[in-house]
Amino acid sequence: GDSVTQMEGPVTLSEEAFLTINCTYTATGYPSLFWYVQYPGEGLQLLLKATKADDKGSNKGFEATYRKETTSFHLEKGSVQVSDSAVYFCALSGVTGGGNKLTFGTGTQLKVEL
Amino acid sequence: GAVVSQHPSWVICKSGTSVKIECRSLDFQATTMFWYRQFPKQSLMLMATSNEGSKATYEQGVEKDKFLINHASLTLSTLTVTSAHPEDSSFYICSARGLVSGEQYFGPGTRLTVT
Repeated sequence: GDSVTQMEGPVTLSEEAFLTINCTYTATGYPSLFWYVQYPGEGLQLLLKATKADDKGSNKGFEATYRKETTSFHLEKGSVQVSDSAVYFCALSGVTGGGNKLTFGTGTQLKVEL
Repeated sequence: GAVVSQHPSWVICKSGTSVKIECRSLDFQATTMFWYRQFPKQSLMLMATSNEGSKATYEQGVEKDKFLINHASLTLSTLTVTSAHPEDSSFYICSARGLVSGEQYFGPGTRLTVT
């Protein structure tokens, strides 16, 4: 079945540091890929997505590129801020379930310090 | 816009009792809502998909008689954990799929502790 593997946290960075959170996936066909962010006390929010190979999703300075050859969708940001502290989830929407079903990674907690 | 609420945000109940959790889409209509369960340091696991006016579709391994789902309107779905036991203690999260956008919007979750 479909699965998503992302790096374990917590990841602790200083403000303005470069961020990479690795995400790889296993799925049949061509899934859509997502990054969700969960701020403390809030629900998951869609951060960015990509629906086909070589697509780059971007939002709020975050980027991720759909790499079919390496089955990866790594999240990057050039300069993190304290306000980026949150838990980040990589997810895919596969061909099963009519594309409705989301399969999540375990989440990576990011802490950004001054 | 696209806000999903859950009530209660946390609940403690005794073993053997039943608990109802509500999921509401506040400013949009959702024909489809999803219920997830999250264990500490683990990913969200889809439990069931509920469609307004019809029976929920449960994922393999989820007991439908234990986790009763009702989707009575385009803005409300409920999850009832019947005869709860300590192993049912978990974080339950719902999401609602927007009619127009097709995107899933998530609620803040409900922490259930069964003593």
